Amino acid sequence: DAGITQSPRHKVTETGTPVTLRCHQTENHRYMYWYRQDPGHGLRLIHYSYGVKDTDKGEVSDGYSVSRSKTEDFLLTLESATSSQTSVYFCAISQPGTQGEDEQFFGPGTRLTVL
Amino acid sequence: AQKVTQAQTEISVVEKEDVTLDCVYETRDTTYYLFWYKQPPSGELVFLIRRNSFDEQNEISGRYSWNFQKSTSSFNFTITASQVVDSAVYFCALSGGNAGNMLTFGGGTRLMVKP
Repeated sequence: DAGITQSPRHKVTETGTPVTLRCHQTENHRYMYWYRQDPGHGLRLIHYSYGVKDTDKGEVSDGYSVSRSKTEDFLLTLESATSSQTSVYFCAISQPGTQGEDEQFFGPGTRLTVL
Repeated sequence: AQKVTQAQTEISVVEKEDVTLDCVYETRDTTYYLFWYKQPPSGELVFLIRRNSFDEQNEISGRYSWNFQKSTSSFNFTITASQVVDSAVYFCALSGGNAGNMLTFGGGTRLMVKP
């Protein structure tokens, strides 16, 4: 199994509070991703990183920011959590080949509830 | 824009039945990759297969088989002689031909295999 951990695994917070989720990998993969999973939507990309300090937005980036100061860590921050951000968050990693042949491997997920 | 449609939201079968999960995709890329992931009740996402757009050969892995047809933009997944342990949500996903390109997921199909 790919060495990906997420912390915390579960979190309950209140509307308006800041929240940071951490993804840590031991695979030295270049790419890291944050997805959210909601019923009926599958997984949707929030942000991704293609190297240290190199990040870009995904499909549902509003209300989220990310940072990657080290290869192994990718942080997702909700500056002011809202109830619509209640979801399961997955981190993924990949090490793409030259033509994009890059399956992504996923962490165990973080269940976030915003009250 | 890319899109993946899994029209079957839920399928219920009895053990030992064969079952096919449908996946239809849309993309303008000439090079792209298709994936299937399994999410068992425990919640993790397990990579099953990657197929590139230039390889339309069907693939078989034990009781699992995949039928890729570019003419109908479909990448269907068949489980032969289903087992209770196959009960999970299955996701089909698509990525473009650029290195590190993000995955676009379908909404998932929940498969319930009853004893």
